[in-house]
Amino acid sequence: ETGVTQSPTHLIKTRGQQVTLRCSSQSGHNTVSWYQQALGQGPQFIFQYYREEENGRGNFPPRFSGLQFPNYSSELNVNALELDDSALYLCASSIPGQGNTGELFFGEGSRLTVL
Amino acid sequence: AQSVTQLGSHVSVSEGALVLLRCNYSSSVPPYLFWYVQYPNQGLQLLLKYTSAATLVKGINGFEAEFKKSETSFHLTKPSAHMSDAAEYFCAVRGRGSQGNLIFGKGTKLSVKP
Repeated sequence: ETGVTQSPTHLIKTRGQQVTLRCSSQSGHNTVSWYQQALGQGPQFIFQYYREEENGRGNFPPRFSGLQFPNYSSELNVNALELDDSALYLCASSIPGQGNTGELFFGEGSRLTVL
Repeated sequence: AQSVTQLGSHVSVSEGALVLLRCNYSSSVPPYLFWYVQYPNQGLQLLLKYTSAATLVKGINGFEAEFKKSETSFHLTKPSAHMSDAAEYFCAVRGRGSQGNLIFGKGTKLSVKP
């Protein structure tokens, strides 16, 4: 059983550019969440995708957007990059129907540096 | 609104000593609480979770946590630290709405001295 995989592992962008990060969820998991982890901070929830639709969002502006594909993989897109977007972006998958007790399975993250 | 506070951004213990990492929560509904560990350059791994079935929760790698409603706490403990326990530990509470919404604390970095 493969775990959650993310790509790229590291990337550098300049302010104003756009970035796309990719995530393949763990086998059998059809729910994907994205988190932003700034240096020295805990992860912050960006949004969740289920059945190819966003069904939950944290306190992030619209320039953070996502997609989920029929094979449950997902993308996180960030437009008009700002310096404060520099962070580790984590993808997590989960099994629906487990409600509030469900575990999230995290990938190793994509580290984005914005110059 | 739900939140968690982790007391102590950095904890240092000697190998073989007790590990105690503190977490206090705030929640207007019965909380679902989690402890995750993050090793350098890796994602987060679940250590244990509180789901209201039992107040003392046992997790992986010898860790356990006790839910105390009166103290709004969910502290993580391990009787004897090992060098391999050196990592960052995050307490989290399930947020409202979607299953994927976990609200994390700022983390506690655990160092283990030989």
